[in-house]
Amino acid sequence: DIVLTQTPLSSPVTLGQPASIFCRSSQSLVHSDGNTYLSWLQQRPGQPPRLLIYKISNRFSGVPDRFSGSGAGTDFTLRISRVEAEDVGVYYCVQTTQYPDTFGQGTKLEIK
Amino acid sequence: EVQLVQSGGGLVQPGGSLRLSCAASGFPFSNFWMHWVRQAPGKGLVCVSRIDTTGYTSYAHSVEGRFTISRDNAKNTLYLQMSSLTVEDTGVYYCARGTTDWPGRDYWGQGTLVTVSS
Repeated sequence: DIVLTQTPLSSPVTLGQPASIFCRSSQSLVHSDGNTYLSWLQQRPGQPPRLLIYKISNRFSGVPDRFSGSGAGTDFTLRISRVEAEDVGVYYCVQTTQYPDTFGQGTKLEIK
Repeated sequence: EVQLVQSGGGLVQPGGSLRLSCAASGFPFSNFWMHWVRQAPGKGLVCVSRIDTTGYTSYAHSVEGRFTISRDNAKNTLYLQMSSLTVEDTGVYYCARGTTDWPGRDYWGQGTLVTVSS
């Protein structure tokens, strides 16, 4: 199975400041169809996961444009341009290029 | 509006059985793959099972032979029948809708807690 490793595991951020979360895959996530199926999920406290970003950099419906994704191959980044209080929670990268789908261990975003 | 409303969790003894349900609305249920994902207490997310539009199913190795995913398209409902439960099966179970134009999950249910304990 593909292993996704996220860093940092915890990220204290000041409101209004940027934040970045990194996700490294144990192997390339480029699918045979040429696409890279790396997504990011947000899980607020006590809530189910919510899709933020898919195929590296596509924002899902209703996701604020302060969230952006980038990367290629095995290295990916989720960036929040200006952190707001509602962004507190755990963020997961997930790959669906190769079955079984696997998730990173999660990065906890908290406010300083 | 896409909605996935889950039910059926609870406390069960080791070796017992439980059935989870996920009632879907707001989209043509029969046209979508559906998934179950588990989150153990304080832990991350793990895929448990999935079912495609034809009824073809896949399972994580840890639950194969013990769990059965199914769907009733007439009732717009997804199920997960769990048997021979162990303490390692404890966690919150989420149903999720599969996407149509890329492999993944877009909408998630609210989750239902399954506790396996004597």
